Amino acid sequence: EVLLVESGGVLVQPGGSLRLSCAASGFTFRNYEMNWVRQTPGKGLEWVSYIDTTSSTIYYADSVRGRFTVSRDNAKNSLYLQMDSLRAEDTAIYYCSRDQSGTYDSWGQGTLVTVSS
Amino acid sequence: AIWMTQSPSLLSASTGDRVTISCRMSQGINNYVAWYQQKPGKAPELLIYGASTLQSGVPSRFSGTGSGTDFTLTISCLQPEDFATYYCQQYYNFPRTFGQGTKLEIK
Repeated sequence: EVLLVESGGVLVQPGGSLRLSCAASGFTFRNYEMNWVRQTPGKGLEWVSYIDTTSSTIYYADSVRGRFTVSRDNAKNSLYLQMDSLRAEDTAIYYCSRDQSGTYDSWGQGTLVTVSS
Repeated sequence: AIWMTQSPSLLSASTGDRVTISCRMSQGINNYVAWYQQKPGKAPELLIYGASTLQSGVPSRFSGTGSGTDFTLTISCLQPEDFATYYCQQYYNFPRTFGQGTKLEIK
């Protein structure tokens, strides 16, 4: 069974930093591209970042480029999102998702990030 | 970025009804459209990819059509478990984008 488990979401002040983690199991992690997708409470979905299997190709949404950094450790079956210079509008549930040719066929349960003073 | 207009935003229907949700793209994207279902407090689940291919395990009452700029998700014979929010997504290019969502509620 494919399992993705996010962690690291907390309450943080504006301007602060946070690192999210996603632990993968039940599939060969190193063979799959991965993504972060977020959802503002009560609102819609927003793609945040993409990373390919070897970390050679990375993309970001305009709203986070320059502030967020995605990475992965294939030896540890883990995906990460380093979030710096956080803003109130970054408040959301953050999901890691497995990429299947551009669609997201497996998702974690999500981790809530709240940016507030 | 490719923008999409998903409609309606709210849809009221009864068990057994047939419903259709639409998604219009700001430019042609061939068939690079996926549809997701999300229930309250849960992560989205992939229903359809390639505009019309059902993800494994998805009931056949779900179907997708379209190509280019206009796409539809149809649910025939609504079941109680189908009342949820549905999103379209384009994967023609980056940034990936989602529709605004359609909440399907019980009439």
